[in-house]
Amino acid sequence: NAGVTQTPKFRVLKTGQSMTLLCAQDMNHEYMYWYRQDPGMGLRLIHYSVGEGTTAKGEVPDGYNVSRLKKQNFLLGLESAAPSQTSVYFCASSDRDRVLGYTFGSGTRLTVV
Amino acid sequence: GESVGLHLPTLSVQEGDNSIINCAYSNSASDYFIWYKQESGKGPQFIIDIRSNMDKRQGQRVTVLLNKTVKHLSLQIAATQPGDSAVYFCAEILGGATNKLIFGTGTLLAVQP
Repeated sequence: NAGVTQTPKFRVLKTGQSMTLLCAQDMNHEYMYWYRQDPGMGLRLIHYSVGEGTTAKGEVPDGYNVSRLKKQNFLLGLESAAPSQTSVYFCASSDRDRVLGYTFGSGTRLTVV
Repeated sequence: GESVGLHLPTLSVQEGDNSIINCAYSNSASDYFIWYKQESGKGPQFIIDIRSNMDKRQGQRVTVLLNKTVKHLSLQIAATQPGDSAVYFCAEILGGATNKLIFGTGTLLAVQP
C-alpha cells in the first residue's frame, strides 16, 4: 500500500495564481486533513473532512478551499496565491478509531513569489 | 484557546544515552495523545500514542508518560541512536467526532556520536 500520496511535491507560484494540491489515500480512511507547516513551527490545521462529500474549517482556513468528492481523495485549492501561503503542506488521514494516529503524506513545498 | 507546547526546543544527547522530551498541553478534554517524529524533508511519522485512561505506554525503545494532573506528556527514548535525530512533536486529539489533531511546536533532538 502506498499510504498517503501528495502531488505535486514542489511548486512555485506567482502571486495571484491558482493551483490545486491533490491528496490520495488507499487505506479506506474516513477522515482526511490538510495541514501547513511553517519554519520552526508545528503543523496547523487548514481544513478537514470526516467523510465523502463533507468538509470543515480548521485553525487557518482563510485563502484555501477543499473538496472531498471521493473518499480516497482530498483536494486543497488556492484560488489566488499570496506570499503568506509559502509553506510546506501536509495531508493526513485517519480511521474513526484513530488506530496508529494519523498517516501523513510526504508534503508539498509551495513557494509563492 | 487550546494549545500544546514544548518546554525544550532543542535537546542534544550523546549516542547511547537516554533522551527525554517533554510536552505540556492545556486542554483537559483531550483524550488521546500522539508523539510524532519528523525527519528533514519528510512528513511526521507516528511513534507512539497514549489514551487519557492510561499513564504509561511502552514501545520499542520508547516510552510515553502521561500526567493528567499537571497536563504533561513525556517521550523517553532509550539508548539514543544517530537515526533518532529529528524533530519530535507531541499532539493531542480533542474528544469528539472530528479527530482534530493539535500539534505543539516541536523539539529538535540532536544525537552526538
